[in-house]
Amino acid sequence: AQSVSQHNHHVILSEAASLELGCNYSYGGTVNLFWYVQYPGQHLQLLLKYFSGDPLVKGIKGFEAEFIKSKFSFNLRKPSVQWSDTAEYFCAVNAGAGNMLTFGGGTRLMVKP
Amino acid sequence: DAGITQSPRYKITETGRQVTLMCHQTWSHSYMFWYRQDLGHGLRLIYYSAAADITDKGEVPDGYVVSRSKTENFPLTLESATRSQTSVYFCASSESAAGGYGYTFGSGTRLTVV
Repeated sequence: AQSVSQHNHHVILSEAASLELGCNYSYGGTVNLFWYVQYPGQHLQLLLKYFSGDPLVKGIKGFEAEFIKSKFSFNLRKPSVQWSDTAEYFCAVNAGAGNMLTFGGGTRLMVKP
Repeated sequence: DAGITQSPRYKITETGRQVTLMCHQTWSHSYMFWYRQDLGHGLRLIYYSAAADITDKGEVPDGYVVSRSKTENFPLTLESATRSQTSVYFCASSESAAGGYGYTFGSGTRLTVV
């Protein structure tokens, strides 16, 4: 069965700091990869996704993620965070068509103004 | 957007009572899902449905019942609520299991069992 690990449960940054959230998955075949964001009191929203092609994927609000197949990783990055980026971030993976998304445990990001 | 609606937003109930959480989607998505979100556990799948009258268990189905008589509705029932079922419940929908365009989530129901 596929699994997804997010190593950092809580991250605290100051505004303008750079962000990198780790995501690793365990599945050797073709995968589709997603990052979701959940702002305080809100539902999950899709931030970006990777299906194929360029392993560097750009999403909304200046976020990007890089798929490194050899490392089974799909880390989320942002060069300069803002206070409004305070949220919980979930990585999700599915192992091809017909398989449902498996979510990681989430990373809570707090950005201090 | 109002494509997927959950009700109620907040619910307090007593141990042993039956509670039903509602989920309604307007996109005619085939797949619908129920997740619970708990600190330290992230999102865990309770039940899912591939189409009307087709449902299946997820990771944590015990104590829950679902039905899907119509494509657009997917209610979740706690038959006899327990304190361990205090959680935030999210409904989601997708055109496929793999969610090519991602799953779309509702705003959640915060359930407290006292």
